[in-house]
Amino acid sequence: SAVISQKPSRDICQRGTSLTIQCQVDSQVTMMFWYRQQPGQSLTLIATANQGSEATYESGFVIDKFPISRPNLTFSTLTVSNMSPEDSSIYLCSVGMEGKEGYTFGSGTRLTVV
Amino acid sequence: RKEVEQDPGPFNVPEGATVAFNCTYSNSASQSFFWYRQDCRKEPKLLMSVYSSGNEDGRFTAQLNRASQYISLLIRDSKLSDSATYLCVVRRSGYALNFGKGTSLLVTP
Repeated sequence: SAVISQKPSRDICQRGTSLTIQCQVDSQVTMMFWYRQQPGQSLTLIATANQGSEATYESGFVIDKFPISRPNLTFSTLTVSNMSPEDSSIYLCSVGMEGKEGYTFGSGTRLTVV
Repeated sequence: RKEVEQDPGPFNVPEGATVAFNCTYSNSASQSFFWYRQDCRKEPKLLMSVYSSGNEDGRFTAQLNRASQYISLLIRDSKLSDSATYLCVVRRSGYALNFGKGTSLLVTP
């Protein structure tokens, strides 16, 4: 399975600032996703990162708050913009290959907004 | 109604016990089904896929009932290292996954 490098692993940020999280995969993958896992909760899909076009956002998530880039088949970024304490969460990227079952997750970015 | 619902847990069982987790999903068009395992402060990792015919991987058996929209995971001969949160996961049409909230398992000596 693909090996994912997600950075940073954790950060503490001031409210009102923005943080960009990077997800680098060691091989080309068809699908890349960004999830959020709030304390004590399960994973919630933020968006599907589409290569060369705008991401597809889930209900409740918007591009202005969570801009996503995917310039190629091995790399994506998620930015958490104008952060507030409610954005404190773990953010995970996930990748998958068409025709292959089960997706792989990055190790996550633990974000605390103060 | 949540798309994927699981037993609330936590389950505390002694080593060697058999434990079963249940999960239901609401979208009848769901296409693929999985159990993931998540250790504390770690990312989820695929435990096994789930098929209608049922599938087994060592001490783990997964079952899918499409008519009832029900998924199960059975763990036999529990080990201390099985302690984790088990996530029921459903792939709806398209490729994105929907996760249940997870069921915590604690296996005690």
